[in-house]
Amino acid sequence: DSGVTQTPKHLITATGQRVTLRCSPRSGDLSVYWYQQSLDQGLQFLIQYYNGEERAKGNILERFSAQQFPDLHSELNLSSLELGDSALYFCASSVEGRGRAETQYFGPGTRLLVL
Amino acid sequence: AQTVTQSQPEMSVQEAETVTLSCTYDTSENNYYLFWYKQPPSRQMILVIRQEAYKQQNATENRFSVNFQKAAKSFSLKISDSQLGDTAMYFCAFQSGGGADGLTFGKGTHLIIQP
Repeated sequence: DSGVTQTPKHLITATGQRVTLRCSPRSGDLSVYWYQQSLDQGLQFLIQYYNGEERAKGNILERFSAQQFPDLHSELNLSSLELGDSALYFCASSVEGRGRAETQYFGPGTRLLVL
Repeated sequence: AQTVTQSQPEMSVQEAETVTLSCTYDTSENNYYLFWYKQPPSRQMILVIRQEAYKQQNATENRFSVNFQKAAKSFSLKISDSQLGDTAMYFCAFQSGGGADGLTFGKGTHLIIQP
């Protein structure tokens, strides 16, 4: 158990819909990262938040957005869903992530299926 | 942009044997970190080992060790006395030293330990 929690574990929805994935980082971690794992694209970095602020952006689509709240939990919002958005979405957290690369610890992931 | 290449899609060895997984990367940075993550059938991402580029000494964690060749941009993982529980996907990952970025992953190597 990494200490990172993600809800829900599974999500089934239809094309065009919007979903929210939630992540709680390890106690004391300030940075949260979101990743997408799909058969086509492999593991891709989407976005990073550090202490409530967006820190880095990866291959995140405009239909996707994220935020980190004052209690440091994070949400990833996916809208106008397409079949190709079906994937395993991971959240990871690290202690710092600002000025030094700390080890990222991954949550169990949310498996999203878009029908 | 960084790239990470794992040239072995799948490997199979007998239990108790030693196996080496290959990883090469491309970057123009001098300060960075390299990781190996393991993803068993449960899909959980588990950190195996971490290497700081500024450290010449190769990292070791019990049965796991790396051969880090900075000039050649090579970062291989050696698993000694392999066990059935080592069966998993293994991902090599790169992160910039500043911490303001996510991990860049290779496509993975599926390692199968045969009894």
